[in-house]
Amino acid sequence: LAKTTQPISMDSYEGQEVNITCSHNNIATNDYITWYQQFPSQGPRFIIQGYKTKVTNEVASLFIPADRKSSTLSLPRVSLSDTAVYYCLLRGEYGGATNKLIFGTGTLLAVQP
Amino acid sequence: DAGVIQSPRHEVTEMGQEVTLRCKPISGHDYLFWYRQTMMRGLELLIYFNNNVPIDDSGMPEDRFSAKMPNASFSTLKIQPSEPRDSAVYFCASIPGWLDREALSGYTFGSGTRLTVV
Repeated sequence: LAKTTQPISMDSYEGQEVNITCSHNNIATNDYITWYQQFPSQGPRFIIQGYKTKVTNEVASLFIPADRKSSTLSLPRVSLSDTAVYYCLLRGEYGGATNKLIFGTGTLLAVQP
Repeated sequence: DAGVIQSPRHEVTEMGQEVTLRCKPISGHDYLFWYRQTMMRGLELLIYFNNNVPIDDSGMPEDRFSAKMPNASFSTLKIQPSEPRDSAVYFCASIPGWLDREALSGYTFGSGTRLTVV
């Protein structure tokens, strides 16, 4: 499965927009890009998924350039409660082994007052 | 839906004892995954099932670990005998069979079982 690379940590302040970039140079044609959020003592929670261009939901936006070798998770106006670890992963389209989510180290986002 | 349900939430046991962790996936989900999380190694995939059949157990660390899924609504992860290095948070997750292109949801994880082996 293709590997993803993202910053180990990021700092922000309340009310700011936060952009976390993930690199996936070897992404396969059938891979979808997914992002998860994990709070301490909880399991990861699905945030957003995309294939190309831009996807937006009530929580975040996901920007994917045409070559799909990277993606950027955008969190608008973060609050203290957005302090968490954010994981970027690839998931295949056709089930089977491509359903395996392999987690990297993630990005620890620390939001300060 | 109550989501993925794991039990117990916390387990403290002595080295050498048998430990059984339990998971109830979301009804209708075809895949079930067991993960382990530690500070040193992060989130590791241990094993996953498709339609109750173990597909890939290459992440199971040793023969002391075993997992079963006797039916679509129940799975167990057993450690026998347990060792202090098995101390971790164990998560169970489930998904439907095919990728939801509309991206309404992804994997659903349970709240985890925090295992401490002393």
